Amino acid sequence: ETGVTQSPTHLIKTRGQQVTLRCSSQSGHNTVSWYQQALGQGPQFIFQYYREEENGRGNFPPRFSGLQFPNYSSELNVNALELDDSALYLCASSLATGENTEAFFGQGTRLTVV
Amino acid sequence: AQSVTQLDSHVSVSEGTPVLLRCNYSSSYSPSLFWYVQHPNKGLQLLLKYTSAATLVKGINGFEAEFKKSETSFHLTKPSAHMSDAAEYFCVVSRNTGNQFYFGTGTSLTVIP
Repeated sequence: ETGVTQSPTHLIKTRGQQVTLRCSSQSGHNTVSWYQQALGQGPQFIFQYYREEENGRGNFPPRFSGLQFPNYSSELNVNALELDDSALYLCASSLATGENTEAFFGQGTRLTVV
Repeated sequence: AQSVTQLDSHVSVSEGTPVLLRCNYSSSYSPSLFWYVQHPNKGLQLLLKYTSAATLVKGINGFEAEFKKSETSFHLTKPSAHMSDAAEYFCVVSRNTGNQFYFGTGTSLTVIP
């Protein structure tokens, strides 16, 4: 176990709805990154939060947004859900930024949009 | 821009034989490179990472990888496959030192008894 927990583990939503996914980072880690892994694909970087500020973003539209809280836990929000948003969403936490830190991944939230 | 290309989507080996999973990278500067493994219904686990130190990197479970700048490659090897090695393997390049990762499309490793 990595100490990174995500909730819920599975979720089914209808197209057009909004969803919030949650990530509790490993104790002491102040950096959280979110990834989308479509079926049969590698994870794609959505964005990263460092000390409650967005610290980098991948090629995802603005309807993907996030938050990081003072305890460094994080939320991923997706508005106006589309069928293609169906995927495994992974969160990874690490300590600060730097080449000697390791990122630890949670087991993910499986989102199905119908 | 950074990217990685995993040259094989599927690799099958017999138990006890060597494993070779191939990865080429593209980066506008000296990259940080990683290999992660994903077992079914389990989270991603770091096998090893290269961050501009020794070019031959040793990881967990007997895996190692060699960074070859002239060939822009970072292939993963293991001398002898075990049944428990069957999984999906991802080659990853980091955008910067902040663990913002760009994943390859993955290589599915099957180990035949």
